[in-house]
Formats: sequence, structure tokens, C-alpha cells
Amino acid sequence: AAGVIQSPRHLIKEKRETATLKCYPIPRHDTVYWYQQGPGQDPQFLISFYEKMQSDKGSIPDRFSAQQFSDYHSELNMSSLELGDSALYFCASSSAGHLTQYFGPGTRLTVT
Amino acid sequence: AQSVTQLGSHVSVSEGALVLLRCNYSSSVPPYLFWYVQYPNQGLQLLLKYTTGATLVKGINGFEAEFKKSETSFHLTKPSAHMSDAAEYFCAVSDRGSTLGRLYFGRGTQLTVWP
Repeated sequence: AAGVIQSPRHLIKEKRETATLKCYPIPRHDTVYWYQQGPGQDPQFLISFYEKMQSDKGSIPDRFSAQQFSDYHSELNMSSLELGDSALYFCASSSAGHLTQYFGPGTRLTVT
Repeated sequence: AQSVTQLGSHVSVSEGALVLLRCNYSSSVPPYLFWYVQYPNQGLQLLLKYTTGATLVKGINGFEAEFKKSETSFHLTKPSAHMSDAAEYFCAVSDRGSTLGRLYFGRGTQLTVWP
């Protein structure tokens, strides 16, 4: 069965650079969630989209923005990167009315 | 906001022994409850979930969890541990009655299985 695809899997950036993370949900899933998992931490909700509209917002820094496109894939844009942004970024998808979120393998971002 | 507490950041058991991972939630209205497993360098995989109905929920890989409203708990168990169960386990909740669906995670429990 098709799963959530995230790219790239690994990304190394320097401070103050920008990064773009991509997420391709499971086919026919219309909702995308983004989570950030710092080293040794639990995943923290960042933002979600339903039918290309932002549906919920969590502890996402103002330096970050995200959107969902017409094909339902989503991108998380991160600017002015800081060392503290080093983390594993997960994308999850679900279909409307269903509670289960299916997670991608994550993108490991390292900021040096 | 929801709060999830997982007692014990590390649990070690021998192969064949009972696995018990503890999870408590804080809300007065029982949320939807989930257990996810994370293997090294991989994403989160759903083990099981409780939404409504029978309070004992069976999941994949022989795991089960029981929702106890009086104790605000959703502990995860497996009768006999296997080496392949070694991983990090996260309890998560989402608000009942909300369509937004964001998950609130506990801090995770690292399970080690000794031969």
C-alpha cells in the first residue's frame, strides 16, 4: 500500500539558510499534518491543512510557513534557520472523518 | 491543551516477559487515544487506537491496551516480549469532539528487550 512520502530524508543547512521540506500524502487523503521531533523529545504539532486550507496551527515559529497544493502535497518552508531547528520533521496524512494519521519516515534536518 | 504522561522513559524486559507501558491523560473528557511505535530512523507506526466501544483494544504485533476512564489511563501491554519489540513507544491523544485532529504526544518510552 502507498505510504506518506517525505523528501528529502536528510538535509544539512547552515545557520540563517532556508530549507524546504516536502510531503506527499497517501492518495485520496485530504489532510496533512506537520510535527517536529527534537532530539530525545516527543513530536510537537506544527500545523495542518485540510483541502488546501490551513486548519490548525500549533507551536510553529513565524520563520516557518507551509502550504498545501492542489495535488494535496504540502511543503514546509523554513527560513533564517537556527541551531535549535535541528530535528526530525514528520508529515502525516489522513482522510476527512477518519481519526488515524499515517506518518511518513520523516526528514532529518541538521543545522550547523 | 491536552497533556499526556508516560511513566518511565525506559523499560527493560527479558524476552518472553510481560510488557507494560503506562500512559495517563489529563483531560476531563476522555480523548481519542493512540499508541505509536517508532523504530530507529523510521517514522511513527500506529499500534492501536481507542475511539469508542469496547475498552480493551487489540492492535498489531500482539499488543493491546485498555482504556480505564476512572484512572484516566490507556496502558499498553503485550503478554510475551520479543526481541523485535525493542523500539520507542509513544502514547498520543486527540480531542474528542474536535475535527482538527492534532495529536498530543507523551515523552515516549524506550523499550529494551534482553535475550
